[in-house]
Amino acid sequence: QVTLRESGPVLMKPTETLTLTCTVSGFSLSNARMGVSWIRQPPGKALEWLAHIFSNDEKSYSTSLKSRLTISKDTSQSQVVLTMTNMDPVDTATYYCARIWDTSGPFDYWGQGTPVTVSS
Amino acid sequence: SYVLTQAPSVSVAPGQTASFTCGGNNIGSKSVHWYQQKPGQAPVLVVHDDTDRPSGIPERFSGSNSGNTATLTISRVEAGDEADYYCQVWDSSSDHRVFGGGTKLTVL
Repeated sequence: QVTLRESGPVLMKPTETLTLTCTVSGFSLSNARMGVSWIRQPPGKALEWLAHIFSNDEKSYSTSLKSRLTISKDTSQSQVVLTMTNMDPVDTATYYCARIWDTSGPFDYWGQGTPVTVSS
Repeated sequence: SYVLTQAPSVSVAPGQTASFTCGGNNIGSKSVHWYQQKPGQAPVLVVHDDTDRPSGIPERFSGSNSGNTATLTISRVEAGDEADYYCQVWDSSSDHRVFGGGTKLTVL
């Protein structure tokens, strides 16, 4: 079955760089029209889309965070990695990765989410 | 950037119908997806491409989309439907995925 699992640090200090890994199973990151997004949710707030990568390595980023984000994938390891530089307390959130197939398609499978707290 | 607008909250009694609206400029020309999120859990897809239900989602969940408003409807609401509901689209002009602000459903 399809699963996604996020991993990364739970606690960070301001200005540090966050690296999150999404490990997928049950499908291949090389499948045509398949992609993975990163989405975050601050405590008590709405979902916010961050970045996306498709099987053809096409990438897109949230305009407001583009300067701080880098998304990449390692198909052989079935992993999608997101880095976010210059972390701030306002970046405290649960970070999810989710699968999408086809450009306008829905997020049909989600990871369980990984909480990240930024505090000095 | 494309904006989706949702009401903050909806309250209904068990057995009644709950409706959630998602407003956006000419949203009727886009494919709208809806997610249910219960406290402490990841979102779950309940309606995709305006009207389609994934396997395992009850027929009580339905969707529509026209003009500037998309709607998710839950018929015969149950206590277990209490959750936050989010709409989402793909904005082709920016290649961004966009979420609405979410609507909290309270079952009275």
